[in-house]
Amino acid sequence: GQQLNQSPQSMFIQEGEDVSMNCTSSSIFNTWLWYKQDPGEGPVLLIALYKAGELTSNGRLTAQFGITRKDSFLNISASIPSDVGIYFCAVPQETSGSRLTFGEGTQLTVNP
Amino acid sequence: KAGVTQTPRYLIKTRGQQVTLSCSPISGHRSVSWYQQTPGQGLQFLFEYFSETQRNKGNFPGRFSGRQFSNSRSEMNVSTLELGDSALYLCASSLVGTGGEKLFFGSGTQLSVL
Repeated sequence: GQQLNQSPQSMFIQEGEDVSMNCTSSSIFNTWLWYKQDPGEGPVLLIALYKAGELTSNGRLTAQFGITRKDSFLNISASIPSDVGIYFCAVPQETSGSRLTFGEGTQLTVNP
Repeated sequence: KAGVTQTPRYLIKTRGQQVTLSCSPISGHRSVSWYQQTPGQGLQFLFEYFSETQRNKGNFPGRFSGRQFSNSRSEMNVSTLELGDSALYLCASSLVGTGGEKLFFGSGTQLSVL
């Protein structure tokens, strides 16, 4: 089935640093999604990408839909303590947008 | 607008018991899907309901079932609980559940099976 390889698994950074994470797959997708999950909460959608090559920003977050349609990247600039959490990439099954395949997640720790 | 509400937040059960979890979607949302999250397997799709019908199902045994009511509220049931069923169960809602549509997740029900 579909499998997303997300890296890195975890990151420990200092406040103010920039962060990059990515997801790759052997399959082609038409939509890439990035979610963040805070401890004890459900995932929250950060950015949705619908077109190959697309670069979309949401505040300090920027995500890109890879030109091959097999990967996506998420960057966080000038990290702050509240950026702590688990970041997931996800792709929807074409026949059902509610059926998402998630990456393994990137656990981000920001030291003040 | 209220978000997706899941009850209860925490649940402790013993092996062999059954459990029912509840989810109230965002008002106006008709698609409700359920996910299981564990440290080992990550987030995995269980099933999706739309207009009281199961529209999609993940690779889980028949012990996992669900239903949706006419007001779009949904329940999922796990029978004959096993230790491996300990997980965070997340419910998500969307307007109609089509491709690329935004999903809104609840805070989840943390199930512990002893």
